[in-house]
Amino acid sequence: AQKITQTQPGMFVQEKEAVTLDCTYDTSDQSYGLFWYKQPSSGEMIFLIYQGSYDEQNATEGRYSLNFQKARKSANLVISASQLGDSAMYFCAMRDDLNSGGYQKVTFGTGTKLQVIP
Amino acid sequence: DTEVTQTPKHLVMGMTNKKSLKCEQHMGHRAMYWYKQKAKKPPELMFVYSYEKLSINESVPSRFSPECPNSSLLNLHLHALQPEDSALYLCASSQLKTPGQVKETQYFGPGTRLLVL
Repeated sequence: AQKITQTQPGMFVQEKEAVTLDCTYDTSDQSYGLFWYKQPSSGEMIFLIYQGSYDEQNATEGRYSLNFQKARKSANLVISASQLGDSAMYFCAMRDDLNSGGYQKVTFGTGTKLQVIP
Repeated sequence: DTEVTQTPKHLVMGMTNKKSLKCEQHMGHRAMYWYKQKAKKPPELMFVYSYEKLSINESVPSRFSPECPNSSLLNLHLHALQPEDSALYLCASSQLKTPGQVKETQYFGPGTRLLVL
């Protein structure tokens, strides 16, 4: 069974500073995908970044980067130059790549609430 | 167009009512999902449809009845709900995964906030 752990229920960061949100995972699979989603108070889950388990380089998408340490089973999200609009709940998630049905079976972490301070 | 739409945005219903939640996507995705999310918790998978056929039912009570009438639409019929069913209901869609690792995510709708009185 897959498990995602986010140990930071809440975090504060000063505007324009960088922040790291922690995520560790547990799986016996060799092939899997890791995602980060942002959920503002409006409710929509917004895809931020993806890392495949075989990707050798850390993923980057604009101000978002994923610090992937496979041996440690960690996939931390780094947000550079925080903005007020970054205040939201952030979920780390893992996709089961061995699912024969072709659909995505995703396990979510418990989330980290980030608040950006002016 | 990478949009998943959900209607209504908000719904208040009594325990004896029958209502339906609707979800629509036009991205050609053949997998669609219903999630339930309680406040300050992660989404919990309820149902998965693949090629308009129910593939996963995560032991959801029968008062929730999903329906996928075509490849673009997903409904969730609600009947005799309980107050503890009050939550945000999220719909999502994705491509059916091809072999190998792909950067394909699920696309989520904005959700329906349901309150059962």
